[in-house]
Amino acid sequence: AAGVIQSPRHLIKEKRETATLKCYPIPRHDTVYWYQQGPGQDPQFLISFYEKMQSDKGSIPDRFSAQQFSDYHSELNMSSLELGDSALYFCASCLRGNNSPLHFGNGTRLTVT
Amino acid sequence: SQQGEEDPQALSIQEGENATMNCSYKTSINNLQWYRQNSGRGLVHLILIRSNEREKHSGRLRVTLDTSKKSSSLLITASRAADTASYFCATAGSGNTGKLIFGQGTTLQVKP
Repeated sequence: AAGVIQSPRHLIKEKRETATLKCYPIPRHDTVYWYQQGPGQDPQFLISFYEKMQSDKGSIPDRFSAQQFSDYHSELNMSSLELGDSALYFCASCLRGNNSPLHFGNGTRLTVT
Repeated sequence: SQQGEEDPQALSIQEGENATMNCSYKTSINNLQWYRQNSGRGLVHLILIRSNEREKHSGRLRVTLDTSKKSSSLLITASRAADTASYFCATAGSGNTGKLIFGQGTTLQVKP
């Protein structure tokens, strides 16, 4: 069965650069979530989209933005990167409704040097 | 953590033993879910328990939920070396966005 696809798998950037992470949800899933997980930390919710509209916002810095496109894939854009942005970034998707588990991708490991 | 505490933070047991992990949360919930994460990999959904349920089983997994104490436990019976991973509880609030808030996680090591 198709899973959530994230690209790239690894990304190395320098401070003040920009990065774009991509997420391709499971077909027919209408909701996408982005999470950030620092080393040894729990995943922190950043932002979510339902039917291409932002549906919820968490602890996402103003330097980050995201959108969901007509084909339901989503991109997380990160600008003015800081060392503290180094983390695993996960995308998850689900078919929205009560009690729907999230399906996670394998994440993008971002390293800012 | 945005959510609460998991207890213990780390657990080391022998193969065949049972492993119990506890999770506390702060807000009212629609459901509570447990996820497993192998090092550096994505989270895999294990089991979901609704706020009106008290216990649920799935294979070697048993989850309990006590909404009065805002706590849950995950029991893995007859553990295997392949169960070595981090385990996170996550809660879905009463809103309809489906957003999950994760606890800090328990790192489980099962020794062969």
